[in-house]
Amino acid sequence: EAGVAQSPRYKIIEKRQSVAFWCNPISGHATLYWYQQILGQGPKLLIQFQNNGVVDDSQLPKDRFSAERLKGVDSTLKIQPAKLEDSAVYLCASSLPRENTEAFFGQGTRLTVV
Amino acid sequence: KQEVTQIPAALSVPEGENLVLNCSFTDSAIYNLQWFRQDPGKGLTSLLLIQSSQREQTSGRLNASLDKSSGRSTLYIAASQPGDSATYLCAVKTYGQNFVFGPGTRLSVLP
Repeated sequence: EAGVAQSPRYKIIEKRQSVAFWCNPISGHATLYWYQQILGQGPKLLIQFQNNGVVDDSQLPKDRFSAERLKGVDSTLKIQPAKLEDSAVYLCASSLPRENTEAFFGQGTRLTVV
Repeated sequence: KQEVTQIPAALSVPEGENLVLNCSFTDSAIYNLQWFRQDPGKGLTSLLLIQSSQREQTSGRLNASLDKSSGRSTLYIAASQPGDSATYLCAVKTYGQNFVFGPGTRLSVLP
């Protein structure tokens, strides 16, 4: 069974530039999450999708971050414009659409904003 | 709102030692608790998932316990090896909330 795929693995951009990350979840997983992990901290949820609908985006900085999940499969997370404090690892995870199920994570995208 | 803490923040042990990592949470109304391993620069690898109705789960040299009423979980690693060196994170799924992660315990196993 293929795992959660993310790309790119690394990205370096200048502040005020834009960047996009891509995620392909495990086949059949209706629930998809994007997390932000700042160095030395645990991951923090940015947004949760159920199929192509948003379930929770309460911690997403909507003035600069956006995410979509077209057709309920792949998802993209965009930052525009980036700030220095956006430097972090962005993790995508997926799970079956049940509350007590296990979450599976991708390898993450390490973003450095200079 | 659920809050998750992990103690210790970092741990260094000699190879072969048994060790315990701790995870505490404030809201006991949970669906499950999941332990993850994270290698430097990598994503999260799921180690064990404990449902709220379970007391423990085992996988190889790993054993995780859950005491929901006291808001605690422990991850026991037997006969530690240098390859176990990584950061260990616990995450709690609470009713009406998403996964909340602890800050992690950074483990170093010295040969």
